[in-house]
Amino acid sequence: KQEVTQIPAALSVPEGENLVLNCSFTDSAIYNLQWFRQDPGKGLTSLLLIQSSQREQTSGRLNASLDKSSGRSTLYIAASQPGDSATYLCAVIDSSASKIIFGSGTRLSIRP
Amino acid sequence: GAVVSQHPSRVICKSGTSVKIECRSLDFQATTMFWYRQFPKKSLMLMATSNEGSKATYEQGVEKDKFLINHASLTLSTLTVTSAHPEDSSFYICSAAGAAGVADTQYFGPGTRLTVL
Repeated sequence: KQEVTQIPAALSVPEGENLVLNCSFTDSAIYNLQWFRQDPGKGLTSLLLIQSSQREQTSGRLNASLDKSSGRSTLYIAASQPGDSATYLCAVIDSSASKIIFGSGTRLSIRP
Repeated sequence: GAVVSQHPSRVICKSGTSVKIECRSLDFQATTMFWYRQFPKKSLMLMATSNEGSKATYEQGVEKDKFLINHASLTLSTLTVTSAHPEDSSFYICSAAGAAGVADTQYFGPGTRLTVL
């Protein structure tokens, strides 16, 4: 059974720092992996999607990497801003593309 | 991306009443819609997958008679929590996708906060 874990559960850093959020999954047979952002009391916004054959994806200050063999993905945020404060969720879709499993998220707080 | 709305955004009800939550895909033909439940500081848990015009597929442990899902059109799905109890209090989120289901990009609604007194 696929399990997705995100560590740390919460992170607070000063503005301007580069930071890395971690996501690990127990079954390397995945279809793709996605990173989402969730603001308090809101729905999810898709940030990056990495197909199983890809190693990384970039969008602006965000870079996500995928290492299937070790069951890990990282989300790198460069030059963090207070507006980046949110909960970041990773989710994997199984290899049969029939099920999506979310991690519990990392609550990120960027201090001005 | 596509815009998905949910109504109401927040509802408070008495124990034993039924509550209907609407999920609308405003500019996208949502062949597939998903309903999730999220507890405070926890992850999203998929409750069910619905395909337009078909019966919903419920995840293990989700009572289909408790959580009624209707997906009558390509733009509207509803979740009815029947005879709600305090333990049903949660944040409910829907998402819309194309025919490929989870393999398609999912567009998420803003969520509905249900509080059962």
